[in-house]
Amino acid sequence: GIQVEQSPPDLILQEGANSTLRCNFSDSVNNLQWFHQNPWGQLINLFYIPSGTKQNGRLSATTVATERYSLLYISSSQTTDSGVYFCAVEGGTASKLTFGTGTRLQVTL
Amino acid sequence: NAGVTQTPKFQVLKTGQSMTLQCAQDMNHEYMSWYRQDPGMGLRLIHYSVGAGITDQGEVPNGYNVSRSTTEDFPLRLLSAAPSQTSVYFCASSVQVNTEAFFGQGTRLTVV
Repeated sequence: GIQVEQSPPDLILQEGANSTLRCNFSDSVNNLQWFHQNPWGQLINLFYIPSGTKQNGRLSATTVATERYSLLYISSSQTTDSGVYFCAVEGGTASKLTFGTGTRLQVTL
Repeated sequence: NAGVTQTPKFQVLKTGQSMTLQCAQDMNHEYMSWYRQDPGMGLRLIHYSVGAGITDQGEVPNGYNVSRSTTEDFPLRLLSAAPSQTSVYFCASSVQVNTEAFFGQGTRLTVV
C-alpha cells in the first residue's frame, strides 16, 4: 500500500515564528488532506489539496503531485496552533485514507 | 448541519463485553468509515462503506463488525472487547471515495 512520511516528527516554535511541515508519499494520489488534531483530540480539516496551492488565513498548502510531496506552511504561529498535524492520502484503487504519523507542534510564548 | 456525530464520547468496558459505537451523518454522504488511533500513531482504517448495504474491511478489521442499513448511520460493533481494543475511535464520511473526508469528535474507549 501507499506509504506516507511526515517531517519533522516534532517541532517547537516561539509565537510569531513561521514553519514548514512536509508530507512525502510513495505513489500517485487522488486525494490529499491536511488535518490538525487539537489538544482535545478533535480532527480539524485544514486543506483538501490533491494538487496545487491553497491558502486559508495564516495557513497555506502546496501539493506537487508529480514529485509526490505536499507542504503545509504556518506563518506567524500562535499558541492555538499547537497540536498534531496529519497528512492523509488516498491513492489508486484504495478506498481509504492512509495517514502519516504526524508532526507534533508546540508553540510557546 | 451537525456533520458527523459519534456517541458515546467516552466508554469503559470489561474484557469480553460487547458494545456498539454509533456514528451518524446528516450530509447525505455515500462513503463512511471507521478508524482507530493508538498513541503516537496516525489513524488506521477498520471498516468502510461505499453506500447503504455495502461494507468492506480495512487494515485492522478483526474483532469488529459493521453494517450500513441507511445512508446516515454506520455503527461499529465490538463483539467481545479485549484490552488491545483500547483506543480512540473516529468515524468519517465523504461524498464518495477520493473526496474530502469529515471526521466525528471521536470515542475514547478503554477496555479493562
